Amino acid sequence: GEDVEQSLFLSVREGDSSVINCTYTDSSSTYLYWYKQEPGAGLQLLTYIFSNMDMKQDQRLTVLLNKKDKHLSLRIADTQTGDSAIYFCAETVYGNKLVFGAGTILRVKS
Amino acid sequence: GAVVSQHPSRVICKSGTSVKIECRSLDFQATTMFWYRQFPKQSLMLMATSNEGSKATYEQGVEKDKFLINHASLTLSTLTVTSAHPEDSSFYICSARADEAFFGQGTRLTVV
Repeated sequence: GEDVEQSLFLSVREGDSSVINCTYTDSSSTYLYWYKQEPGAGLQLLTYIFSNMDMKQDQRLTVLLNKKDKHLSLRIADTQTGDSAIYFCAETVYGNKLVFGAGTILRVKS
Repeated sequence: GAVVSQHPSRVICKSGTSVKIECRSLDFQATTMFWYRQFPKQSLMLMATSNEGSKATYEQGVEKDKFLINHASLTLSTLTVTSAHPEDSSFYICSARADEAFFGQGTRLTVV
C-alpha cells in the first residue's frame, strides 16, 4: 500500500539545523520529494531525490535516503525565520501519482 | 521553472451553487493534471487525475458527479464543484507534471 508518515511538529532556534524525517512504504517509489507550503499558498518544490541515490545536497538543503529502511530526511542548515512553514514529503507511485505525508510544521524561533 | 496557474485564489459561494476552478500550465503542455484537496492542518488528498481528451480518474470516495473535471486542452484543466455545500469548503490545489510536479497557488473555497 501507499503510506507516507512524518513527524508533525519541529521547533528550532534560528541558526540551528533542522532535520525533518519521513518514512514511506512503497518500495517501488522512483522519486521522493520535499515540498514547502507557506500559509494559504500552494506547494513549492524544494528538492527531490531519485531512489537510486543516497544523498543530495542543494545549498542549505541536504536530503538523505535510506532505501533499505524506507526513510527520507531533509536537513536545513542555518535555519532562518523565513523557513517557518509546513514541509511535506511525497513519493511517486504508479509513475505519476504523488502520495503525501501529513506535513511537518517547522517553527523557527528567533 | 515551469509554472502552474490556478484561478481563482479565493471564492465564496452560496450553498447550492456551482463553482469552477481553473488550472493552467503556462509554459509546458500537460497531458495529465492532478487535483488535490487539503483540509485545515492536514495533508493533501488526491481527488482525481485529469487526462487530456479523456475522462478523469477519481480516487476512491470522491464523487465524480459532484466534482466535475474537464481537461479540454493540453494546458487547461477545470474542476467544477457542483451544488456546493458548506462541507465542500476547503483548499483545492492542482498540479501538473513536466519533468517534476508543479503546483498551482491553490483555491480557498468557502461555501456559505
